[in-house]
Amino acid sequence: GNSVTQMEGPVTLSEEAFLTINCTYTATGYPSLFWYVQYPGEGLQLLLKATKADDKGSNKGFEATYRKETTSFHLEKGSVQVSDSAVYFCALSRGNAGNMLTFGGGTRLMVKP
Amino acid sequence: DSGVTQTPKHLITATGQRVTLRCSPRSGDLSVYWYQQSLDQGLQFLIQYYNGEERAKGNILERFSAQQFPDLHSELNLSSLELGDSALYFCASSVGTASNTEAFFGQGTRLTVV
Repeated sequence: GNSVTQMEGPVTLSEEAFLTINCTYTATGYPSLFWYVQYPGEGLQLLLKATKADDKGSNKGFEATYRKETTSFHLEKGSVQVSDSAVYFCALSRGNAGNMLTFGGGTRLMVKP
Repeated sequence: DSGVTQTPKHLITATGQRVTLRCSPRSGDLSVYWYQQSLDQGLQFLIQYYNGEERAKGNILERFSAQQFPDLHSELNLSSLELGDSALYFCASSVGTASNTEAFFGQGTRLTVV
């Protein structure tokens, strides 16, 4: 079946540090890949997505590249801010018989001033 | 604001009881999904409806059921509640069923079973 594995947190960084959150997946065929972010007390919001191999999704300074050869979709940001503190979820969708999301376990990011 | 509305925001109930969670999708979205978020299981897909019909089923317990009404709102019914059912229940909606479709999430209903 489909599965997503992402690095466990929490990840604690100082402001302006470089961020990487690793995500690997297992799926047949060609899934679409997503990063969602959950701020405290809120629902999930789409951060970025990529729908085919070598696509790069980007938004608000965050980037992730769909690597089919390594089945990975690592999230990166060059300079984090305190406001980036949240829980980040990597997810995939296959689109056949329902396009539900399969999520990784989530990674909590804490950014200190 | 995602445009997805869930009610109630919080619910406290006793074991053995039955509750109904309600979701209004974004205007124009035909697909509704229910997810359960708990500390031990993470985010798990429960069930999806598309334009009133069940589209896909995940790890949804037999004690749980859902439906989508003609006006496209959805309800998740949880019965014979157990302590382990305490969790955050999210509803999400999307326009269609393609794999690259963005899902918009509500703020969730936090269910506490005591």
